[in-house]
Amino acid sequence: QKEVEQNSGPLSVPEGAIASLNCTYSDRGSQSFFWYRQYSGKSPELIMSIYSNGDKEDGRFTAQLNKASQYVSLLIRDSQPSDSATYLCAVNEGTYKYIFGTGTRLKVLA
Amino acid sequence: GAGVSQTPSNKVTEKGKYVELRCDPISGHTALYWYRQSLGQGPEFLIYFQGTGAADDSGLPNDRFFAVRPEGSVSTLKIQRTERGDSAVYLCASSPGLPRTGELFFGEGSRLTVL
Repeated sequence: QKEVEQNSGPLSVPEGAIASLNCTYSDRGSQSFFWYRQYSGKSPELIMSIYSNGDKEDGRFTAQLNKASQYVSLLIRDSQPSDSATYLCAVNEGTYKYIFGTGTRLKVLA
Repeated sequence: GAGVSQTPSNKVTEKGKYVELRCDPISGHTALYWYRQSLGQGPEFLIYFQGTGAADDSGLPNDRFFAVRPEGSVSTLKIQRTERGDSAVYLCASSPGLPRTGELFFGEGSRLTVL
């Protein structure tokens, strides 16, 4: 099985700052990349998808993809305490199988 | 609601017993996934269904685990002769299929504890 790696954290940022979350993957054939947010005791929920190199913005969230470096990141601008959660990176392996990283725990300090 | 429904939400069983976990996906979603998540880990892929057939069961850890989706909607994950190492949260997710195949909508999970 291919690997998806994330720093487990916790990553602590002050309220209003930019949080930067990173993910690397091993399968050069991967084409689909996703960020999920998981609050403690809850199930993951999709927040961003990205398929092409470059940046994709959605509100306070920006996903960045660099296929040559096998690297995908998530930036959260104007971080809020409600953003405190574990952020999971997911990457496709083949057509329909999705592999998750272990997640990065983000703490936004008020 | 219209989300993915999983039952039971909690299951405590004894080592060696048989367990069934049920998943009712979002109406109209053709793809259904089972994942397993242990504390501090990301979801671990178990099996994927497209319609009634298991398109990829490469994540099932051994032959004690089996899943079915007989009518292409509700799915049941079956675990025989449970072991303490099977304790985890079992997550079901459904997906609308092409072109949004990677958009997984998760249920709240079934927490399995094997004593």
